[in-house]
Amino acid sequence: GNSVTQMEGPVTLSEEAFLTINCTYTATGYPSLFWYVQYPGEGLQLLLKATKADDKGSNKGFEATYRKETTSFHLEKGSVQVSDSAVYFCALIPGENQGGKLIFGQGTELSVKP
Amino acid sequence: DSGVTQTPKHLITATGQRVTLRCSPRSGDLSVYWYQQSLDQGLQFLIQYYNGEERAKGNILERFSAQQFPDLHSELNLSSLELGDSALYFCASSPLPGQRRGYTFGSGTRLTVV
Repeated sequence: GNSVTQMEGPVTLSEEAFLTINCTYTATGYPSLFWYVQYPGEGLQLLLKATKADDKGSNKGFEATYRKETTSFHLEKGSVQVSDSAVYFCALIPGENQGGKLIFGQGTELSVKP
Repeated sequence: DSGVTQTPKHLITATGQRVTLRCSPRSGDLSVYWYQQSLDQGLQFLIQYYNGEERAKGNILERFSAQQFPDLHSELNLSSLELGDSALYFCASSPLPGQRRGYTFGSGTRLTVV
């Protein structure tokens, strides 16, 4: 079946530290991969996406590369800010003719301290 | 503002009651998805509609039902409510099912069952 596994949180970092949140997936076909972010008290916002192998999604200093050989889509940021404190969800939409629903990992809470 | 509107934002009701959550998709989007977010279960896909027709079902209880109307808004009906139904309910939309650019989420309805 299709599934997403993220590293467990919470992750606590100091401001300007390097961030990596690991995400691996299992999917049939060629899925599209996403990172969503949920700030406290808010809904989910699309942070970045990649639709094929070796694509790099990027937004707001965050990056993730679609690695088919390792079935991974790790989220990275070179220098985090307090305002990046949120819950981050890795997600996939399975390949063609697989129903099309967005499947989420369990989420990773990030807390950035000044 | 994501363009996906959910009402009400908060709902407090008693066990055994019935509630209706409403979602208006982003303009031009034909597909609507409902998700439940709880602390212990994470983000669970409930149901998907496309242009008025049910497209896919996930972990939706028999006490729950949904529909999408001709004007494309959707309603999620929850009946015989239990304490465990307390959660955030999100609606998302996309132009077509399985849209590889990702889905747009509303800000959610927080349901509290007392």
